[in-house]
Amino acid sequence: DVKVTQSSRYLVKRTGEKVFLECVQDMDHENMFWYRQDPGLGLRLIYFSYDVKMKEKGDIPEGYSVSREKKERFSLILESASTNQTSMYLCASSFPPQGLDNQPQHFGDGTRLSIL
Amino acid sequence: GQQLNQSPQSMFIQEGEDVSMNCTSSSIFNTWLWYKQDPGEGPVLLIALYKAGELTSNGRLTAQFGITRKDSFLNISASIPSDVGIYFCAGLTTGNQFYFGTGTSLTVIP
Repeated sequence: DVKVTQSSRYLVKRTGEKVFLECVQDMDHENMFWYRQDPGLGLRLIYFSYDVKMKEKGDIPEGYSVSREKKERFSLILESASTNQTSMYLCASSFPPQGLDNQPQHFGDGTRLSIL
Repeated sequence: GQQLNQSPQSMFIQEGEDVSMNCTSSSIFNTWLWYKQDPGEGPVLLIALYKAGELTSNGRLTAQFGITRKDSFLNISASIPSDVGIYFCAGLTTGNQFYFGTGTSLTVIP
């Protein structure tokens, strides 16, 4: 079974702090993703990575950065946390397309982050 | 990014009833996925569909890839209390871009 592990289930931080969310997958997936999930807004893509040291902006990258130093680990960084970044953060990973077949994303259990 | 149109937004049903939900888009997708998210957990993949017209089952769940490639349907038969959760569709383009539905919240009343 695919295992995507997020380091914290719940996290409380203060405004202005630098916050690190860690995600590790054990399936040798090339692709990794960070989303935030808010009521009524669904899943929104923050950043993604198709390879080590590679990153691409998603739909809402402002206020965030990422790091992919190793294939299995993808970190999301809130440079200076603000209250509007209180949210559920979900990490996902997948293989690249196999021939014509896209590969499903597999999600971690999420980190519920509160910024006070 | 684009969000898929998923309906209904929420459903309240009696245990034992069947459930149907669907996702539609103005764009063509070459893969459709259905996920379930339990409260406080991450989404879990239920069914993956790769061909237009494909009908795939996973226990009491059945999903179909629409012929037009712009929609997909999920049916749950004989619902039970543990079916409670939020169900998401996802469509994938040939460029491996993911688009998610806004979710259907399912409540099963014992």
